Amino acid sequence: LAKTTQPISMDSYEGQEVNITCSHNNIATNDYITWYQQFPSQGPRFIIQGYKTKVTNEVASLFIPADRKSSTLSLPRVSLSDTAVYYCLVGGHNTNAGKSTFGDGTTLTVKP
Amino acid sequence: DTAVSQTPKYLVTQMGNDKSIKCEQNLGHDTMYWYKQDSKKFLKIMFSYNNKELIINETVPNRFSPKSPDKAHLNLHINSLELGDSAVYFCASSPASAGYKYEQYFGPGTRLTVT
Repeated sequence: LAKTTQPISMDSYEGQEVNITCSHNNIATNDYITWYQQFPSQGPRFIIQGYKTKVTNEVASLFIPADRKSSTLSLPRVSLSDTAVYYCLVGGHNTNAGKSTFGDGTTLTVKP
Repeated sequence: DTAVSQTPKYLVTQMGNDKSIKCEQNLGHDTMYWYKQDSKKFLKIMFSYNNKELIINETVPNRFSPKSPDKAHLNLHINSLELGDSAVYFCASSPASAGYKYEQYFGPGTRLTVT
């Protein structure tokens, strides 16, 4: 299983862009990269998923370099409500359905 | 309607007891999971079931036994509870796919406290 490494914590201010990087040197050819957001006392919630290059949705962007050994979640113009733990997940739904590894999570604190 | 539900939300019990946590998903997904999240927020997969068949069984004591009566349910039974079992347990589900792209939907969690 691809092991992931993320910063333990990050601080930001409202209105700033936040970039959280995840390292996954042993990513497999068939693995996707997925990011989840978790608020206190709630289950993780899907944010974005990608395989290579750049993916953008209404919430975030995901940048994946050509070698796919890392990925960067970009949150534009964060607000206080974006304070949460962000998890990077590498894996895929293959014949061993759902083998994947969550990173240890990055606690993002957005300050006013 | 709640997509992935778990019961109970809180569970306080004594060491040595046996307890169960129930999970149901109404998304029509083929794959369901159990995760354990400890006090440091590390999220570790315990089990994965695909169409009622056990797919993943990570290094988990055999005191933990998942049961999937049908595709929409995955229950977790824990025997002889220990202090170290105290954690938040999350159930999740994901759609089957011919490819590799997938998204997991998590339940609200069950906070288990063993005293």
